[in-house]
Amino acid sequence: AQKVTQAQTEISVVEKEDVTLDCVYETRDTTYYLFWYKQPPSGELVFLIRRNSFDEQNEISGRYSWNFQKSTSSFNFTITASQVVDSAVYFCALMTGTASKLTFGTGTRLQVTL
Amino acid sequence: DGGITQSPKYLFRKEGQNVTLSCEQNLNHDAMYWYRQDPGQGLRLIYYSQIVNDFQKGDIAEGYSVSREKKESFPLTVTSAQKNPTAFYLCASSSRFYQPQHFGDGTRLSIL
Repeated sequence: AQKVTQAQTEISVVEKEDVTLDCVYETRDTTYYLFWYKQPPSGELVFLIRRNSFDEQNEISGRYSWNFQKSTSSFNFTITASQVVDSAVYFCALMTGTASKLTFGTGTRLQVTL
Repeated sequence: DGGITQSPKYLFRKEGQNVTLSCEQNLNHDAMYWYRQDPGQGLRLIYYSQIVNDFQKGDIAEGYSVSREKKESFPLTVTSAQKNPTAFYLCASSSRFYQPQHFGDGTRLSIL
């Protein structure tokens, strides 16, 4: 069975602080993909990144960076110099199998204040 | 612009009533999905379809039904058998295996 754990339910930071959102996954499949989505207060899910199980390179996109470590089954997400617009719920998700079904974590609510 | 349209945004259901949530996409995606989100929880898969006229149950299909008569449409019916339907429902689509799913804006369903 697939499982995604986001142990941090809610994080509050002051603007310009760096923040890391943790994600730990479980799967027996050797081929899988990991995703991060952002859910702003309006409700829709916005795709942020996809990473496959064979590519452990870290990725940076502007203020966002992702650290994928197969040895610890983790795919952590860091926001550098956070901004109020980053306030949202962030979901980590795991995709396995040809049906491309996503298994979501329970999400981390990030609150960035001035 | 291409995207996924869910309607209505808010929906109220009376006891014993079936209600249908609409999901339309113009992204030419083959696969479509329905998720349910409860407060403080992640998304759980209700049904998915990888091709027209075919669909499979997800993790929480009981009390729900779907159809896929057209590639661009994947309506979800919440039947009276679903005893706790109050939730936020999200529809998604993707182009092929392992591609990101794109989501609609969601429908919030409540019981009257």
